[in-house]
Amino acid sequence: GAVVSQHPSWVICKSGTSVKIECRSLDFQATTMFWYRQFPKQSLMLMATSNEGSKATYEQGVEKDKFLINHASLTLSTLTVTSAHPEDSSFYICSARVVEGLAKNIQYFGAGTRLSVL
Amino acid sequence: LAKITQPISMDSYEGQEVNITCSHNNIATNDYITWYQQFPSQGPRFIIQGYKTKVTNEVASLFIPADRKSSTLSLPRVSLSDTAVYYCLVGDTDNTDKLIFGTGTRLQVFP
Repeated sequence: GAVVSQHPSWVICKSGTSVKIECRSLDFQATTMFWYRQFPKQSLMLMATSNEGSKATYEQGVEKDKFLINHASLTLSTLTVTSAHPEDSSFYICSARVVEGLAKNIQYFGAGTRLSVL
Repeated sequence: LAKITQPISMDSYEGQEVNITCSHNNIATNDYITWYQQFPSQGPRFIIQGYKTKVTNEVASLFIPADRKSSTLSLPRVSLSDTAVYYCLVGDTDNTDKLIFGTGTRLQVFP
């Protein structure tokens, strides 16, 4: 299947700093990528839809100024957690949708990023 | 978006066949059914997708009855490494990009 790479896999930062997480589609182009958040023992919660060349679409309750999303190319979306606080500590996962070929319309997920804010 | 219901947890033993049923009573005409597997601290992994009848790949089979209001993921001869959370998702993959995850089914495989 298609490969989505997410980096870093684990990050620890001090409260008040910003953290950038990268999501790359390695062998396909992705006009749309998605960012999820997952707390321990819970399901994935969709945060936002990242659209190449345009603004991201945020789900209700997600602060767009807190979670900055940039999708500058067809293979890269970034999520920046600005002025991180301990309550932002979570597991962040991205996904990308394949839009052509045998895997059309299937979403593939990155390995996730564990963010710990001290 | 279709309302999804699946068992919260299931137990099995190595070598057994496991069937996880998902209910999606208000599935729309254009909706596909997709199953993902997630291990702790990893991103979900695509297992199988189908629209109707039966789909089989090297990992699992997906059975969808004619009314499409439910679907069953079948894992043949599970092993300990199949212990994971399995998510059933329903969505119109052409017009609705979003995937909304439910609670999933936590499968525990015992030796």
